Amino acid sequence: ELKVEQNPLFLSMQEGKNYTIYCNYSTTSDRLYWYRQDPGKSLESLFVLLSNGAVKQEGRLMASLDTKARLSTLHITAAVHDLSATYFCAGGEGGGATNKLIFGTGTLLAVQP
Amino acid sequence: DTGVSQDPRHKITKRGQNVTFRCDPISEHNRLYWYRQTLGQGPEFLTYFQNEAQLEKSRLLSDRFSAERPKGSFSTLEIQRTEQGDSAMYLCASSLGPAGNPLEQYFGPGTRLTVT
Repeated sequence: ELKVEQNPLFLSMQEGKNYTIYCNYSTTSDRLYWYRQDPGKSLESLFVLLSNGAVKQEGRLMASLDTKARLSTLHITAAVHDLSATYFCAGGEGGGATNKLIFGTGTLLAVQP
Repeated sequence: DTGVSQDPRHKITKRGQNVTFRCDPISEHNRLYWYRQTLGQGPEFLTYFQNEAQLEKSRLLSDRFSAERPKGSFSTLEIQRTEQGDSAMYLCASSLGPAGNPLEQYFGPGTRLTVT
């Protein structure tokens, strides 16, 4: 059974600084997802990572996947206030048959001016 | 807007009442998922449909919960005899998945249920 752990659970950053959110998962997963959630809102898809060594970047966010270490990272470069949100990673379980998502508990990111 | 839609957005009900939520997925998506999210937690998988067939149900889905997707398009999630512990955000997601290659799941806005 897939388990997903994120750390830190809460991250307070200053604008302009860099930081990384870590996502560890317990068993082999074909794909790793990152989502963003604003308070009271639904989840917005950020990245889907499918293979070992995959790296994707969008603006100030960059996600990577190391399947051997069962680790994904979300790196934030030169944070701005608009990035304040909760970030979830999720692993796909069930392969092609189901692909249900198993989520971590989320990282609440607060970017301070 | 061609995204996933859910109705209602908010529902307040008294303990013991039945409630039903609706999800309309993105039109060409054959896969539909229901998740439940409680405050401060990540979403938890409830059930999965491929077209009209319900192929997997979580152990979280007690016999008070039932979901349908009668024509492989919209889906309903019904909770009978609601309990306070059912209070949560119920999220629907859809994806386009030929066998063996499902990718992104697109989430709807959610239905927030409060049981008093």
